[in-house]
Amino acid sequence: AQTVTQSQPEMSVQEAETVTLSCTYDTSESNYYLFWYKQPPSRQMILVIRQEAYKQQNATENRFSVNFQKAAKSFSLKISDSQLGDTAMYFCAKGSGGSNYKLTFGKGTLLTVNP
Amino acid sequence: GAVVSQHPSRVICKSGTSVKIECRSLDFQATTMFWYRQFPKQSLMLMATSNEGSKATYEQGVEKDKFLINHASLTLSTLTVTSAHPEDSSFYICSAGEGQTSGNTIYFGEGSWLTVV
Repeated sequence: AQTVTQSQPEMSVQEAETVTLSCTYDTSESNYYLFWYKQPPSRQMILVIRQEAYKQQNATENRFSVNFQKAAKSFSLKISDSQLGDTAMYFCAKGSGGSNYKLTFGKGTLLTVNP
Repeated sequence: GAVVSQHPSRVICKSGTSVKIECRSLDFQATTMFWYRQFPKQSLMLMATSNEGSKATYEQGVEKDKFLINHASLTLSTLTVTSAHPEDSSFYICSAGEGQTSGNTIYFGEGSWLTVV
């Protein structure tokens, strides 16, 4: 079975500072997709960033970037210039390289941005 | 952009009754949809894969007779919780992908809170 591990149940950061959330995964696939989702109190799942495993270049989306280490099966999320609105649960997820959109989620990291 | 809509957003039902939750892809066709369950302060756990025109594929440990899934059209999947009990109270969320490959975007519904009293 595939597993996605987030070892940090909770983290906090001061506004405007940088924080990194960790994620590791297990897979036997050579091609797959990795995601970071944000879930605010509304429970809506919001895609933060996506990485395709065959791409060596780390994905970036404005203040969000990833450090993708394929050999180590590590996929960490860096949030720069943290904002109060970044406070939420963050889930790391892995999708299969096959023709479906089934995701395996980590347990999540609750990030609190303090003023 | 593409949207997935769930209804109802909140529902309360009595023990022993059945409740249906709908998941609709509003402007794209989804041959496959996914149903997840999320307990408070926990992660999303995949319950089943809903396949248009065929039987759903359930994850290990999910009772298919209790959680009935129907995917009768390319834009609608329904999850029916039969003979609901308080332990079925949870947040249920669906997702669907646009396009034929998993490289395309995955859209999540807004989720449905089920409370069984």
